[in-house]
Amino acid sequence: EAGVAQSPRYKIIEKRQSVAFWCNPISGHATLYWYQQILGQGPKLLIQFQNNGVVDDSQLPKDRFSAERLKGVDSTLKIQPAKLEDSAVYLCASSLGTSGSQETQYFGPGTRLLVL
Amino acid sequence: AQSVAQPEDQVNVAEGNPLTVKCTYSVSGNPYLFWYVQYPNRGLQFLLKYITGDNLVKGSYGFEAEFNKSQTSFHLKKPSALVSDSALYFCASQPRSNDYKLSFGAGTTVTVRA
Repeated sequence: EAGVAQSPRYKIIEKRQSVAFWCNPISGHATLYWYQQILGQGPKLLIQFQNNGVVDDSQLPKDRFSAERLKGVDSTLKIQPAKLEDSAVYLCASSLGTSGSQETQYFGPGTRLLVL
Repeated sequence: AQSVAQPEDQVNVAEGNPLTVKCTYSVSGNPYLFWYVQYPNRGLQFLLKYITGDNLVKGSYGFEAEFNKSQTSFHLKKPSALVSDSALYFCASQPRSNDYKLSFGAGTTVTVRA
């Protein structure tokens, strides 16, 4: 079974530029998550989708971050404009069902973003 | 509010010795608890989770964790550590409610020396 795929793996941009990350979850997984992992910290949930609907985006900085999952499969996370403090690893995860609670989340390899 | 604490930033053990990575939780109600491992330049890999029932949970790669309600702890253990176990370990909690958000600890770096 293929895992969660993410691209690109690495990205270096200058502040105020825009950037987009792509995620393809495990086939058949209804729920998709985007996390931000700053160096030295645990991952922090940015947004959660169930199929193509947003379930939780309470920690997403909506003035600069946006995400979509148009067909309920793959997803894109965008930052525009980027700030220095956005330098982090962006992790995508998916889980099988829609109950959320107690379900195991499976993570992709992440995209490492450096904003200069 | 829920949170988990990993009191040790680093754990160093010799290969073949027992390994323990500590985690305590602070949540209302009995949360679901998870352990993940992260190898360099890779995403988090699921190790095990506690839902209900037996307090001793067995997971991948010979790891196990013990849920202790009175001490609000969920320590990860391995009887005999391998050099390949060197990685970053995260504990996470999730409340038993409609708020299904995973809250991660800050992580513990494990180094197993040959």
